[in-house]
Amino acid sequence: ELKVEQNPLFLSMQEGKNYTIYCNYSTTSDRLYWYRQDPGKSLESLFVLLSNGAVKQEGRLMASLDTKARLSTLHITAAVHDLSATYFCAVEDQGGSEKLVFGKGTKLTVNP
Amino acid sequence: NAGVTQTPKFRVLKTGQSMTLLCAQDMNHEYMYWYRQDPGMGLRLIHYSVGEGTTAKGEVPDGYNVSRLKKQNFLLGLESAAPSQTSVYFCASRPGTSGYNEQFFGPGTRLTVL
Repeated sequence: ELKVEQNPLFLSMQEGKNYTIYCNYSTTSDRLYWYRQDPGKSLESLFVLLSNGAVKQEGRLMASLDTKARLSTLHITAAVHDLSATYFCAVEDQGGSEKLVFGKGTKLTVNP
Repeated sequence: NAGVTQTPKFRVLKTGQSMTLLCAQDMNHEYMYWYRQDPGMGLRLIHYSVGEGTTAKGEVPDGYNVSRLKKQNFLLGLESAAPSQTSVYFCASRPGTSGYNEQFFGPGTRLTVL
C-alpha cells in the first residue's frame, strides 16, 4: 500500500530565508505532483514530476524527484509573504487507477 | 471551458438525511475522482471512475455511493449522512493514464452534518 509522508507539517519562516519541504513515499512510483492550497480554496497545480531526476522551477519554488530514494523536495528560495499557503505532495499509484495518494500537507507561514 | 465544476458549494444536513453531490467536467476526461479533505489529513480518495459506467472504491468509501452514467458527470451520494461526514469534498478529473496527465480539481463542496 502506497503511503506518503510529508515533513515538516508546519513551517514558519522569515522573508528572505530558504527552506526545503520533504516528501517521502513507500512504494515504487515515478510520478509525483506538488499542489498549493490557499485557505478556503481548491488545489492549484505547481509541479508535475514524471521521471527520476526531474527538476522543475517556477519563481522561488523548485521541485525535484529521486525515484530511487522515493523522495521529492520542494525548495523555497528567498521566501516572500505571498508564498504562505499549504503545500501538498501527491504520488501516483501506478496500479491501474492512477489514483493519487496525498501527504498531509505542509502549512507554510512566511513572516515579514 | 469551465473545467471541473461542483454543485452545491455549501450544504448543511441533519443526521440521517441524504444528498447527492454533482461533479461535471467539460474536458472529455476519462478518469474522475472524489476526495474528502479533513483538517490535518490531506486529501483521501473516496471513489473513482476510469470511464463511463465504471466505478471503484478508494481509501475511505464507507457511507458513500457513486455513479458515472455519463462521461462528463460523476455523482457522489450520501444515503444517510453522519456527523463524521462533515468535510470538504473535492472532485477531480484527468485525461487518461499516459504522459503528462495531471488531475484537475474542482472548487470543492463544504458539507456540514449536524
